[in-house]
Amino acid sequence: QTVVTQEPSFSVSPGGTVTLTCGLSSGSVSTYYYPSWYQQTPGQAPRTLIYSTGTRSSGVPDRYSGSILGNRAALTITGAQADDESDYYCALYMGSGIWVFGGGTKLTVL
Amino acid sequence: EVQLVGSGGGLVQPGGSLRLSCAASGFDFRTYDMIWVRQAPGKGLEWVSYISSSSGTKLYGDSVKGRFTTSRDNAKNSLFVQMNSLRADDTAVYYCARVRAAAGTYYYMDVWGKGSAVTVSS
Repeated sequence: QTVVTQEPSFSVSPGGTVTLTCGLSSGSVSTYYYPSWYQQTPGQAPRTLIYSTGTRSSGVPDRYSGSILGNRAALTITGAQADDESDYYCALYMGSGIWVFGGGTKLTVL
Repeated sequence: EVQLVGSGGGLVQPGGSLRLSCAASGFDFRTYDMIWVRQAPGKGLEWVSYISSSSGTKLYGDSVKGRFTTSRDNAKNSLFVQMNSLRADDTAVYYCARVRAAAGTYYYMDVWGKGSAVTVSS
């Protein structure tokens, strides 16, 4: 069974930079998993931030960027703002219409 | 405006059935693959099911296989999931989402419905 791992929580100071990562319990994340990132605030539907490793979805500010760092996918937020405080989920594409989501990272801005 | 609106959630007893719907508007629904994703209370997102644009391919997560059936009516711009033999651990908010896929280029979800809450309890 494929398990996608994320840091359970992270904190960043306003104006700071934070990098959240997404890994596999066994193996490395590569661009061939087409990593995507979603932001979710309590009670709301997810919002798409990044797809295909590093492409920003429409309307997403360039403070958000995606990449591969080592053997993990990464989401970097620069110039963190209060409204960045959310849960962030990565998803890896396994092929044939199947995605596996990570457990999510709760980001606190303080 | 591109939009997905879910409906049909509610309280159901263990072993019961429920059918969720997702109404699409603002885009050519018949050309898009769709998925269902759920989120149990306080938990993360879980991929549940996939259906291709023509309904030719349907896939299910192991936790729902054999109990859930996904379908769509392209003439009515609607997506459905029929959930049978419901268990307490099916309690979740169920989201429908539009799939964007281009071979070798991208695979992701770009539009999400607001979610339908399902509670399985006696």
